[in-house]
Amino acid sequence: GNSVTQMEGPVTLSEEAFLTINCTYTATGYPSLFWYVQYPGEGLQLLLKATKADDKGSNKGFEATYRKETTSFHLEKGSVQVSDSAVYFCALTGSGGSNYKLTFGKGTLLTVNP
Amino acid sequence: NAGVTQTPKFQVLKTGQSMTLQCAQDMNHEYMSWYRQDPGMGLRLIHYSVGAGITDQGEVPNGYNVSRSTTEDFPLRLLSAAPSQTSVYFCASSYSTAEETQYFGPGTRLLVL
Repeated sequence: GNSVTQMEGPVTLSEEAFLTINCTYTATGYPSLFWYVQYPGEGLQLLLKATKADDKGSNKGFEATYRKETTSFHLEKGSVQVSDSAVYFCALTGSGGSNYKLTFGKGTLLTVNP
Repeated sequence: NAGVTQTPKFQVLKTGQSMTLQCAQDMNHEYMSWYRQDPGMGLRLIHYSVGAGITDQGEVPNGYNVSRSTTEDFPLRLLSAAPSQTSVYFCASSYSTAEETQYFGPGTRLLVL
């Protein structure tokens, strides 16, 4: 079945540092890939997505590129802010008839200190 | 639009009690689902529905029931609560099964003693 592996946290950075959160996946077919963010006390929000190989998703300064050859979708941001402190989830949807079911990684807690 | 709403925000139950977690969306979304979030486990799919009158099991369905009598509502029922069901529960929806972006509610925190 499908699975997502993302780097274990917690990750603690200083403001303006560079962020990378690694995510690799196992899936059949051609899944779509997502990063969701969960701010303290809130539900999940879509951060960015990519639907086919070599696509780059971007939003709020975050980027991730769909790499089929390495089955990866690493999240990056060049300069983090305190407001980026949250839990980040990598996820995918299956292809074909189950393309609406999300499979999540375990989440990575990011704390950004001023 | 209110988006996806969930009630209650927090609930404490005793082992063996039953309760219903409510989820509603006002976006005319076809697809709705329930997840539970546990520390170190990410989110796991409990049940989902692809339209009114149609439900199916996800990854961890045991101990939970669902029904979908209207497009807007998708309640999750705990028949006999157990401490292992202590978790945060999220409801999510999307416009259709072809629309992959899902919208999440704020969650219900459940503690079973």
